[in-house]
Amino acid sequence: QKEVEQNSGPLSVPEGAIASLNCTYSDRVSQSFFWYRQYSGKSPELIMSIYSNGDKEDGRFTAQLNKASQYVSLLIRDSQPSDSATYLCAVNTRLGFYFGTGTSLTVIP
Amino acid sequence: GAGVSQSPSNKVTEKGKDVELRCDPISGHTALYWYRQRLGQGLEFLIYFQGNSAPDKSGLPSDRFSAERTGESVSTLTIQRTQQEDSAVYLCASSLMTEDNEKLFFGSGTQLSVL
Repeated sequence: QKEVEQNSGPLSVPEGAIASLNCTYSDRVSQSFFWYRQYSGKSPELIMSIYSNGDKEDGRFTAQLNKASQYVSLLIRDSQPSDSATYLCAVNTRLGFYFGTGTSLTVIP
Repeated sequence: GAGVSQSPSNKVTEKGKDVELRCDPISGHTALYWYRQRLGQGLEFLIYFQGNSAPDKSGLPSDRFSAERTGESVSTLTIQRTQQEDSAVYLCASSLMTEDNEKLFFGSGTQLSVL
């Protein structure tokens, strides 16, 4: 079983819609969760971190964490074409930082 | 420096040659990670350094791969007798461990092409 799993997509949404990205993890005692955005040919860029159950909002981005279900998600409201990228879920486990394989998002103008 | 610095940004080598990739972490960051990312794939963990502790080498794919780090500064990833399958982007990341959390910041990577 992989430490972090994501639906690889691709996910396509129209401009202005809400994009929903999901991630599950296996290490139940993990405490830190992150979403990174990676544009094609670029390195990953940290966009959200979340440590407590519930929602955390930052601008158009909302991260949601449910430790009981070992589930973390990212919602992007009012999606823009510039949001088109691969989104990587990362979990800081007892074994170190592990990443999902990423979900490719395309926002269609 | 202001960010994680990696060099070279691109490296083209012939099969069988050795290569050395360099990572200069953010000053003061105690943890350093190396990842490999093949084209269109996710990040594959290679090795993790934390302060002066013994590194976690569990992700190194073969004994052709090795890495060193001097204290909390520069790290080098060495690939011996390179193979075409080693072609990928090698990403370095550093983080500051605090009581509350650890956030990882990436360099721009080294694109390795083995011909």
